[in-house]
Amino acid sequence: AQSVTQLDSHVSVSEGTPVLLRCNYSSSYSPSLFWYVQHPNKGLQLLLKYTSAATLVKGINGFEAEFKKSETSFHLTKPSAHMSDAAEYFCVVRSHNYGQNFVFGPGTRLSVLP
Amino acid sequence: DAGVIQSPRHEVTEMGQEVTLRCKPISGHDYLFWYRQTMMRGLELLIYFNNNVPIDDSGMPEDRFSAKMPNASFSTLKIQPSEPRDSAVYFCASSPGFGASTDTQYFGPGTRLTVL
Repeated sequence: AQSVTQLDSHVSVSEGTPVLLRCNYSSSYSPSLFWYVQHPNKGLQLLLKYTSAATLVKGINGFEAEFKKSETSFHLTKPSAHMSDAAEYFCVVRSHNYGQNFVFGPGTRLSVLP
Repeated sequence: DAGVIQSPRHEVTEMGQEVTLRCKPISGHDYLFWYRQTMMRGLELLIYFNNNVPIDDSGMPEDRFSAKMPNASFSTLKIQPSEPRDSAVYFCASSPGFGASTDTQYFGPGTRLTVL
């Protein structure tokens, strides 16, 4: 079965400091992994995607994530937070050998303090 | 491309009324998904289509919900009769395919439904 755990429901950082949003997944087969961002009252926007190429994936707005198979993790990072990064972030897993469905994590709300 | 288009953006209705939500996927995308988002349950997949054919509707909560895709550029999600517990944000998403390189989903802005 597939599952996604986002270890923090809320993360608060100061502007200019690093961001770390944690995601662990469970998948029987090689997965596709995604991070999406949702700003208030908006739809979900793709930040980045892992599909078994490079383990370090670079996304939009300075975000990146590293796939670590041994730890079944796909943590999202950014070196320096900006006020506009305040949003809800979702980690998503899809195993290509286990049906077609995407499994969304519960989300992590990122607050950025001035 | 304008992206995935949903209408209406907001809908307020009374219990028992019929509600129809609409979605226009990105042109050329073969897959269309309907999701529901609530505080309690997060994002839930309701149903998805491939080339206008419903493939998996196991997430549809009950018979009051129905979805159609009469052509490649239009889909509807209907709730009849609506109940207060249906209040949520409903998202439509589309993707070009389902392979590793084509399965990225692109989301619409959502329809916020309030059932009084």
